[in-house]
Amino acid sequence: EIVLTQSPVTLSLSPGERVTLSCRASQTVSGNYLAWYQHKPGQAPRLLIYGASMRAPGIPDRFSGSGSGPDFTLTISRLESEDFAVYYCQQQRAFGGGTKVEMK
Amino acid sequence: EVQLVESGGDLVRPGGSLTLSCSASGFIFSNFGIHWVRQAPGKGLEYVSHISSNGRSTYYADSMKGRLSLSRDNSRNTVELHMSSLRLEDTALYYCVKGSPWGFYYFDSWGQGTPVTVSS
Repeated sequence: EIVLTQSPVTLSLSPGERVTLSCRASQTVSGNYLAWYQHKPGQAPRLLIYGASMRAPGIPDRFSGSGSGPDFTLTISRLESEDFAVYYCQQQRAFGGGTKVEMK
Repeated sequence: EVQLVESGGDLVRPGGSLTLSCSASGFIFSNFGIHWVRQAPGKGLEYVSHISSNGRSTYYADSMKGRLSLSRDNSRNTVELHMSSLRLEDTALYYCVKGSPWGFYYFDSWGQGTPVTVSS
């Protein structure tokens, strides 16, 4: 069973800042099979990144994913007000615990 | 536009049963796996179950194994998740989720969720 550990748990930031979120997998899955989702209160989660680095359709290019097993990163180049949310990494049937990006 | 609409969530007593439904539109339903993901109050996302595009393969999370049955009707674009022997810890918002063209476990569309509350 894959366990995904996300860090940090919470980030307090201001608009315009650069954001780096981490996700570590307990085991390596071939093909960099990793996704990132954004989840805002009262909304459905939204797929941002798949295949560790591929942006889903319609996702702004300020979002980027990188890394390979076991360490992956989601970067938001310049934080915008609509980006405050919880971010989850996912590998197959496992989700990380989430990182909450909140306004400072 | 892809749409997934869940229904059937309710307040149920411990030990009770419930059937959640998901109605899909806006894509070729029979081409994609359908998954269920839940979120308990104040918690993160938890994978629950999936059914393959043709309905021949299903998976149930260990936390609910033996208490779930998932089926689909590709002629009606619907999925049903039957849950039995419900426990307090099954209280959550249950999302119906579509697999993507890029991989079975990449979820490119989510419903708004249907709430299940297990309480005496």
